[in-house]
Amino acid sequence: KAGVTQTPRYLIKTRGQQVTLSCSPISGHRSVSWYQQTPGQGLQFLFEYFSETQRNKGNFPGRFSGRQFSNSRSEMNVSTLELGDSALYLCASSLTTGSSYNEQFFGPGTRLTVL
Amino acid sequence: ILNVEQSPQSLHVQEGDSTNFTCSFPSSNFYALHWYRWETAKSPEALFVMTLNGDEKKKGRISATLNTKEGYSYLYIKGSQPEDSATYLCASNTDKLIFGTGTRLQVFP
Repeated sequence: KAGVTQTPRYLIKTRGQQVTLSCSPISGHRSVSWYQQTPGQGLQFLFEYFSETQRNKGNFPGRFSGRQFSNSRSEMNVSTLELGDSALYLCASSLTTGSSYNEQFFGPGTRLTVL
Repeated sequence: ILNVEQSPQSLHVQEGDSTNFTCSFPSSNFYALHWYRWETAKSPEALFVMTLNGDEKKKGRISATLNTKEGYSYLYIKGSQPEDSATYLCASNTDKLIFGTGTRLQVFP
């Protein structure tokens, strides 16, 4: 069974630009969660999508948005990039939603650098 | 406790030593406690998902315990090996996963 895939793996952007990251979950998984990791910080929860609906959101500004398609693939968009958005962005998929006991399976991440 | 906290932040041990880390989490609205191992240049990998007070789980030389009433979990590694070197993350599931900042373990041969 193929794992969680994320594209692109590396990205360099400049301040003010926007970026779209993609995540393909494990086949059959309907929940996709996104996390941001910056140096010295743990994984910070961005949002979770389940069956094309955002069911939970972390404490991030509105510049961070996402969506999920009918095939469970998810995209995350960051508009008007700031230097502080430089981070590793991880997505994780699970069979059901966050309020379940299912483990999450993580992708390799997208390393975003904002110059 | 409002956040998920892990201690120590880092740990250096010799091969063969046994070690343990602590994860403290808010005990309200608790669904489950997750442990992950994150090796450099790889994705976080789930070790355990625990839900019940008093739960104990074991995978090879690694085991974990859970106390939901007081809000803590311990992860134990018996006879550490260099391949155990990684960052160990815990996460409290309160409808979404809230991660601690991790314990970075280095095992020297």
